[in-house]
Amino acid sequence: ETGVTQTPRHLVMGMTNKKSLKCEQHLGHNAMYWYKQSAKKPLELMFVYNFKEQTENNSVPSRFSPECPNSSHLFLHLHTLQPEDSALYLCASSQGAWGARTEAFFGQGTRLTVV
Amino acid sequence: DQQVKQNSPSLSVQEGRISILNCDYTNSMFDYFLWYKKYPAEGPTFLISISSIKDKNEDGRFTVFLNKSAKHLSLHIVPSQPGDSAVYFCAASGDDKIIFGKGTRLHILP
Repeated sequence: ETGVTQTPRHLVMGMTNKKSLKCEQHLGHNAMYWYKQSAKKPLELMFVYNFKEQTENNSVPSRFSPECPNSSHLFLHLHTLQPEDSALYLCASSQGAWGARTEAFFGQGTRLTVV
Repeated sequence: DQQVKQNSPSLSVQEGRISILNCDYTNSMFDYFLWYKKYPAEGPTFLISISSIKDKNEDGRFTVFLNKSAKHLSLHIVPSQPGDSAVYFCAASGDDKIIFGKGTRLHILP
């Protein structure tokens, strides 16, 4: 139990569907992140939220829409995805500002398949 | 352009021997380095870190070495155990960034 929980663990969706990924952290952290892990690629940072404010959007297509209603919850809303968006989506949280000397704690990830 | 490189996609080591995982970086602004371990179907878990003011940090069987002039760090695991079989990610932070390498898959052979 890492304290960062992601649901669902697996998701299969059609290209015209709308779905959401959820992340919840119980560590009292103030920064939360979405990462994408594709096969044979480094972890790619997608979004950063610090104290509920989005501080970074790493050139992510608009079909991915993040939402951070409070410091403990982070959502990734998905709309009209492409097959190449199939990947493992990881949520992470940390105590301290982005780039500070701090470790991030990761959730177990959501394995997304777009058909 | 990859700023953090793990050039070995996989590594096999006999149980009980030393495992050495390598990582190179290009950005001189990085000043804090981390290693994460990832099992299948799980998120990465933090393993060990090192600040740029140090050249070595040890935690039990895990030691990280940093060579700033060569922009190189390595993770040593000794003795290697079956439970160490996983993917290991190197990460570098600084300049308001945290960048991960592609990972190295470590197989511990019985």
